[in-house]
Amino acid sequence: QKEVEQDPGPLSVPEGAIVSLNCTYSNSAFQYFMWYRQYSRKGPELLMYTYSSGNKEDGRFTAQVDKSSKYISLFIRDSQPSDSATYLCAMSLNAGGTSYGKLTFGQGTILTVHP
Amino acid sequence: GAVVSQHPSRVICKSGTSVKIECRSLDFQATTMFWYRQFPKQSLMLMATSNEGSKATYEQGVEKDKFLINHASLTLSTLTVTSAHPEDSSFYICSARSAAPGNSPLHFGNGTRLTVT
Repeated sequence: QKEVEQDPGPLSVPEGAIVSLNCTYSNSAFQYFMWYRQYSRKGPELLMYTYSSGNKEDGRFTAQVDKSSKYISLFIRDSQPSDSATYLCAMSLNAGGTSYGKLTFGQGTILTVHP
Repeated sequence: GAVVSQHPSRVICKSGTSVKIECRSLDFQATTMFWYRQFPKQSLMLMATSNEGSKATYEQGVEKDKFLINHASLTLSTLTVTSAHPEDSSFYICSARSAAPGNSPLHFGNGTRLTVT
């Protein structure tokens, strides 16, 4: 069993739809959770990060963490064609120190938003 | 915002040669940088942690003599793929975190596409 499971999709939605992306994890020691967006042949771009259970909102994006269920989500409201990319969840054991950079990534979900 | 620059963006080399990839933090100091590898349609896998002024820490299964890492300053880390072979062809991505206090997130470079012929 992988430490982080993410449905690879692909996911195709019409413009304006609400998109829900999810990851589950098995290691309860993970404390820091991130969502990255990766366009083709580019490095991942940080979208959201959080270190506690609950919701965090930034514009059209909402990140949700449920540590009791070991489940994280990213919601995209009013999705746009420019949101078409691969979305990667990532998590780490600690919020600081060198171990912070040892991110464990999900497989990534390919999202296409069509006009 | 924090910017991590990686160079070159793409390189093609012949089998047996060595390739150096640079990773720079442009507007912040990074005592620690990280090197990841990503195969097509797969996720990122951490290869090693690069520590300024000391030896890198490699993940299990990563050959330290093949993937040489140097972190000579607070803004530059290099990854050298030595005696490259076709199976080393991959997308190599570096990342860095500010050395400033607090929980700053990790930022990634745009990656280097290595093709070994």
